Amino acid sequence: DTGVSQNPRHKITKRGQNVTFRCDPISEHNRLYWYRQTLGQGPEFLTYFQNEAQLEKSRLLSDRFSAERPKGSFSTLEIQRTEQGDSAMYLCASSPIRGATYEQYFGPGTRLTVT
Amino acid sequence: DAKTTQPNSMESNEEEPVHLPCNHSTISGTDYIHWYRQLPSQGPEYVIHGLTSNVNNRMASLAIAEDRKSSTLILHRATLRDAAVYYCILRDFDFGNEKLTFGTGTRLTIIP
Repeated sequence: DTGVSQNPRHKITKRGQNVTFRCDPISEHNRLYWYRQTLGQGPEFLTYFQNEAQLEKSRLLSDRFSAERPKGSFSTLEIQRTEQGDSAMYLCASSPIRGATYEQYFGPGTRLTVT
Repeated sequence: DAKTTQPNSMESNEEEPVHLPCNHSTISGTDYIHWYRQLPSQGPEYVIHGLTSNVNNRMASLAIAEDRKSSTLILHRATLRDAAVYYCILRDFDFGNEKLTFGTGTRLTIIP
């Protein structure tokens, strides 16, 4: 296994369109996280899953955003009615187990540009 | 999450040691100190973490002050590939707290 993968790597969309991103975590990692990163800032937490259960959502995750992880494997992040402020890098990470002593493994990210 | 303070940027010469400081004066007894780095156009990657004692791994060393209010990430011999943004993050080992809270980090430039 080569790590966390994300698709697409780049997405350009027009304002008002819907977009969906996919994250494939490292096999057998039951924790999956989504973060968003804007230029010059560190990543900001959006949400995380344990298996298929979404356990926490940030207040950054407006009702236009929805994330799923069916069957506890890959995850999708959908943004409806995109706005220019949604332009950012969307990062996915996975972890084998919960707790502060275990690192999160990040994917390369999906860069979204809303025109 | 407790807050960390890092310099915005640092420079170092190639093949010399680099000491990246982090202040965390409000750290609690249950906070682990984690370091991640982010190379250009990549996602963050884990570097090292510790609780109270100094830690070494193949990438770096972590020196933690006795009062735990500061720590230093040490790259023993910097290479051009170490040019990245380095983030110091506190993680409470309470299992209910899963997210990483990133600041703006320190941008490390390596001079050939």
